Amino acid sequence: GIQVEQSPPDLILQEGANSTLRCNFSDSVNNLQWFHQNPWGQLINLFYIPSGTKQNGRLSATTVATERYSLLYISSSQTTDSGVYFCAVFNSGSRLTFGEGTQLTVNP
Amino acid sequence: NAGVTQTPKFQVLKTGQSMTLQCAQDMNHEYMSWYRQDPGMGLRLIHYSVGAGITDQGEVPNGYNVSRSTTEDFPLRLLSAAPSQTSVYFCASSRSTGTFSYEQYFGPGTRLTVT
Repeated sequence: GIQVEQSPPDLILQEGANSTLRCNFSDSVNNLQWFHQNPWGQLINLFYIPSGTKQNGRLSATTVATERYSLLYISSSQTTDSGVYFCAVFNSGSRLTFGEGTQLTVNP
Repeated sequence: NAGVTQTPKFQVLKTGQSMTLQCAQDMNHEYMSWYRQDPGMGLRLIHYSVGAGITDQGEVPNGYNVSRSTTEDFPLRLLSAAPSQTSVYFCASSRSTGTFSYEQYFGPGTRLTVT
């Protein structure tokens, strides 16, 4: 099956810093989503982004499908950004495959 | 729209007991799925359904059963609970965006402990 790798596995930032999270996938995909799992365990949709670039406030994402990677940018990080960020992909098997996530901690 | 709802939020079972985790969505999505998340890990697919009357196995289906009699509901049954099934269970409902392409929305999760 398709492999999804995220980096870095852990990231610690000071409030106000910027960061880039990466997601690599091993095969062509039909779509890609980024999720934020907050400290209470909720999974929140951030982006549905099979290709191209999208922005939502301080967050933006870029997927380069031909090169099999996606990037999530967080600017001016806040403590509420803490949690785990997951990348997940759909390929032809009708299954969403998750990466293992990046644990982000933003300190005040 | 309530989105995706799951009940119960928490459950403790004894080994060998059976139970059903409920999942409902009000977005008229055809595709629904169940995942489990173990500590420090990503989500793993248990079962999924592409429409009423159609279900299929995911990555970790053993010990679980599903059925889809309506578009709205997709219950997950644990047949004989085992401690290895202690996990957080997420139900998802998905909007089709093309062939084999979906945008997923997750429920709040059910935290299950099997003693």
